[in-house]
Order: sequence, then structure tokens, then C-alpha cells
Amino acid sequence: EPEVTQTPSHQVTQMGQEVILRCVPISNHLYFYWYRQILGQKVEFLVSFYNNEISEKSEIFDDQFSVERPDGSNFTLKIRSTKLEDSAMYFCANLLAGSYEQYFGPGTRLTVT
Amino acid sequence: ELKVEQNPLFLSMQEGKNYTIYCNYSTTSDRLYWYRQDPGKSLESLFVLLSNGAVKQEGRLMASLDTKARLSTLHITAAVHDLSATYFCAVDNYGGRDKIIFGKGTRLHILP
Repeated sequence: EPEVTQTPSHQVTQMGQEVILRCVPISNHLYFYWYRQILGQKVEFLVSFYNNEISEKSEIFDDQFSVERPDGSNFTLKIRSTKLEDSAMYFCANLLAGSYEQYFGPGTRLTVT
Repeated sequence: ELKVEQNPLFLSMQEGKNYTIYCNYSTTSDRLYWYRQDPGKSLESLFVLLSNGAVKQEGRLMASLDTKARLSTLHITAAVHDLSATYFCAVDNYGGRDKIIFGKGTRLHILP
């Protein structure tokens, strides 16, 4: 069964550094999402992306965040200048057109020191 | 704004017992999801409930949906230790492509 993959599985970075989290979606899935989960807390929506543009973003998704599909395949989340409070698990999710079930990747654990 | 409330947030129970997790949501929604999460892992989809009165069962877990009451339940029958995990309910906005809004999760600890 096709799976969403994410790299890296764990990223440690210093405050103020830029990070790029990568997601390889399931083929033919057209809707893409990023969620984050601070340790021990609920999963929070960050952004949705369709047809090469942002569909919706949450208040968490400020100017420090950006998303793109640089090669039409990978889906990336960039944080320009990381803060301590960005430490969390980041999940990518995909949705097939005409479907309703989002498939989640295994996540990237981001630790900002 | 769509809000999802789960209770209890933490549940410790003995093997063999039955219990129910409740999920309330604030506005009309088309779909309700239940996910399981093991520590440090991703979200595993358990059930997708699409209509009023929907009931789905998988092993010792059964989920139901009452859209009029805006309530879903996840019932655990004769719990076993392997079911220890955090269970999230989630709801999406009308449209099917929208974000999913999660509850805070219920951390289930089943004692052998």
C-alpha cells in the first residue's frame, strides 16, 4: 500500500536557523497539508495546499513559514528562523481528489535548541 | 470556529473492562474521524464516520456518530493491554478538502 514518507525523521537545529522539512506524497494525491503536534498536545493544522498554492493557513503559519512543491513531487515546509517554540512533531498529510480521508506521514521531530 | 472536545483526557482501566470515550464538536460537519497514536508515532486511521447513525466496528473498538447531538463515541469492549495509546477524534469542515480539527486526545492506559 502506498505511503506518505517524510524526511528527515528527526532534525535538531539551533534557534534562528532555517529548516526544510520534506514530504513525498502518495502518487495522484492532489491536496497536501502540514500539521504539527507539540509534545503531549493535540495535532494542529498549519496549512493546506492545492494546485500549487496555499488554500488555507492557520494563525500559527506566520511569515516564518512557507510551503512549496519545488519539483512537482516533493512537498516542503520551510521555517526561516526557528524559535524554541517551533519544537514539535510535524506531519504531512495527503488527500486524493474525490476522497475524504487524509493519509498522514510518519512525521519529522524538530528540536530547536 | 469549529471546536472538538474529548473526554476523558486520560483513562486508566483494567484489562477486560468496557469503557467509552466521548467526542463533541461545535458546528455542523460532514465527517468524523478517529485516530490512534502510539508514543512517538504517527496517526493511524481507525474509523471514518460519514453520516448520522453511522456505526463502525473493528475488533474491540466500535465508533458511532450522532450528527444531531454532534457527538461521537468510541467504545472499547473487554480492553486488552495492546489498546493502550492516545485516541484522537477529529472533524473536518464542510467540503471534504478542508483541514481536520483535532480534539485534545484521550490517553488510554490499560493495566494488565
